[in-house]
Amino acid sequence: DTGVSQNPRHKITKRGQNVTFRCDPISEHNRLYWYRQTLGQGPEFLTYFQNEAQLEKSRLLSDRFSAERPKGSFSTLEIQRTEQGDSAMYLCASSGGGGPQETQYFGPGTRLLVL
Amino acid sequence: AQKITQTQPGMFVQEKEAVTLDCTYDTSDQSYGLFWYKQPSSGEMIFLIYQGSYDEQNATEGRYSLNFQKARKSANLVISASQLGDSAMYFCAMSSSNDYKLSFGAGTTVTVRA
Repeated sequence: DTGVSQNPRHKITKRGQNVTFRCDPISEHNRLYWYRQTLGQGPEFLTYFQNEAQLEKSRLLSDRFSAERPKGSFSTLEIQRTEQGDSAMYLCASSGGGGPQETQYFGPGTRLLVL
Repeated sequence: AQKITQTQPGMFVQEKEAVTLDCTYDTSDQSYGLFWYKQPSSGEMIFLIYQGSYDEQNATEGRYSLNFQKARKSANLVISASQLGDSAMYFCAMSSSNDYKLSFGAGTTVTVRA
């Protein structure tokens, strides 16, 4: 399977702990995106990378959130000092180099529950 | 700023019938793309269909078709011959020539009845 993969699929943590999620995009895609989705809502954009460069960050991405894509391949999203409001589905997507209207393909997501 | 509006929170459809999901959008960009995604209860967002703002013909992909009315800024999804496996949440989304990120609507839940 050459689709987008995300690990872990589920994460339960206690408030105040740090968590890290990983995303492996489709291999030939140079753009990688992170979105957050809360229950009953559509996904909201967090940040995106073109190769290893982080080109845009949403104001939703507080200073407790950090994302990296060190070699332009996989990406990690870390949340420090988690809060109950961080409970959500975190979705990763990737797209190729065909311009802004290229299709984004999503991974299965990581469901985070902060107790 | 881009905005997507999906006004139908939930819909029921009989198996083998067609269903239309509404989507309106607002953007000041001339070049943009409209997308529909399906999200089953498992959570994965599955790409269904794409329509470019300069495409003159409505997009079709198997049982999915997009009714694109540019002047009305609407991009409704039509699912023909509904199947039980079509039961899911459906999201309309858009991106523009100036903005790589997708803006999503609130989604419509479709339940197919046998």
